[in-house]
Amino acid sequence: EAQVTQNPRYLITVTGKKLTVTCSQNMNHEYMSWYRQDPGLGLRQIYYSMNVEVTDKGDVPEGYKVSRKEKRNFPLILESPSPNQTSLYFCASSLWGGNTEAFFGQGTRLTVV
Amino acid sequence: AQKVTQAQTEISVVEKEDVTLDCVYETRDTTYYLFWYKQPPSGELVFLIRRNSFDEQNEISGRYSWNFQKSTSSFNFTITASQVVDSAVYFCALSEGYSGGGADGLTFGKGTHLIIQP
Repeated sequence: EAQVTQNPRYLITVTGKKLTVTCSQNMNHEYMSWYRQDPGLGLRQIYYSMNVEVTDKGDVPEGYKVSRKEKRNFPLILESPSPNQTSLYFCASSLWGGNTEAFFGQGTRLTVV
Repeated sequence: AQKVTQAQTEISVVEKEDVTLDCVYETRDTTYYLFWYKQPPSGELVFLIRRNSFDEQNEISGRYSWNFQKSTSSFNFTITASQVVDSAVYFCALSEGYSGGGADGLTFGKGTHLIIQP
């Protein structure tokens, strides 16, 4: 089954404790990205990757890191999480570019206390 | 910079009514792509439609239809004979194209929460 898998689905952590949210896709897609969803703001892009070893900032990259060492995986790293990073996070992949149909993971609800 | 506006924060209708969700976009590009996604209460994001800027034909898929009008920069979504299962948050999104490659991701509107009452 074609899918994008994120883990964990739910996470509560403390300020400053490094964490990683994993994302994996099995569709051989070139393009992957991370979004955060906040009430009243819709979804906003954090980082994206056009291909392996190619990543770039989206609209709200501050406080986040990503890597794309393999085509299928695109982890999101919070080196020192803060309460304002409490949000619902979505990983997405698409065949190529942000203008093709995006397939989204199930979401990760992160709470930073 | 690109922008998507969904002015309707929440809409509530009774089942079987028709309902239209508005989407207005801004972009300087002549090549761009418009999308609608559905987010049911379970939280996942479900793709509904993708439309490129050169195709202004309206589209119908069952009870769903989309009206794309470049003259008014709008891409509205209509549900005919609504059902309770249509209750969800609906997002309109825009992506600008760069020679068909598109480095940009999706710019989303803030979403419209649609409530279908039995």
